[in-house]
Amino acid sequence: KNEVEQSPQNLTAQEGEFITINCSYSVGISALHWLQQHPGGGIVSLFMLSSGKKKHGRLIATINIQEKHSSLHITASHPRDSAVYICGWRGGGSQGNLIFGKGTKLSVKP
Amino acid sequence: EAQVTQNPRYLITVTGKKLTVTCSQNMNHEYMSWYRQDPGLGLRQIYYSMNVEVTDKGDVPEGYKVSRKEKRNFPLILESPSPNQTSLYFCASSLSARVYNEQFFGPGTRLTVL
Repeated sequence: KNEVEQSPQNLTAQEGEFITINCSYSVGISALHWLQQHPGGGIVSLFMLSSGKKKHGRLIATINIQEKHSSLHITASHPRDSAVYICGWRGGGSQGNLIFGKGTKLSVKP
Repeated sequence: EAQVTQNPRYLITVTGKKLTVTCSQNMNHEYMSWYRQDPGLGLRQIYYSMNVEVTDKGDVPEGYKVSRKEKRNFPLILESPSPNQTSLYFCASSLSARVYNEQFFGPGTRLTVL
């Protein structure tokens, strides 16, 4: 079973469009992670957030802990944003397990 | 340069031939973890380690072993690989197991078991 659901699974956009990727989870969590996986396979951490909103360049992540939902927004999208975006959470306290969604594959056309 | 390294990057082997994928980090991180990534299934955690000599199972531990004898290394061992272990494997580390710590990923190891 996967306790993290992402939507959409695939997304194609034109350069310049505003993009939203959604992440819903079924358990109470302390923090949520957003990752980016480049077409070459490498994975980098984008955000960790437990409340409100975080911004890094054209990327904005929001989270609503009560509604168990997070969104990743990309403003003024560019072909170099084409990647798989993955959300996930880690069990707190003595739990070290990490659960990820299946990812959203984004393709931005010039 | 702070990094997580994995070796080998690519490996083709045959069923039953024991193999080890190494993972090393130079950031003095306490927490290390192994994942496999399969089409349609996403990233799934195999094993993780909260610190030296402390390891625990993730979601898909069957067929794998790990050890954490030193802080920097966390090898993944397949005692008797089978074709269903053909996958892309990632090692990752973070400062600790605290939920707010950023994960740093290795470059990945693409394993094919014939």
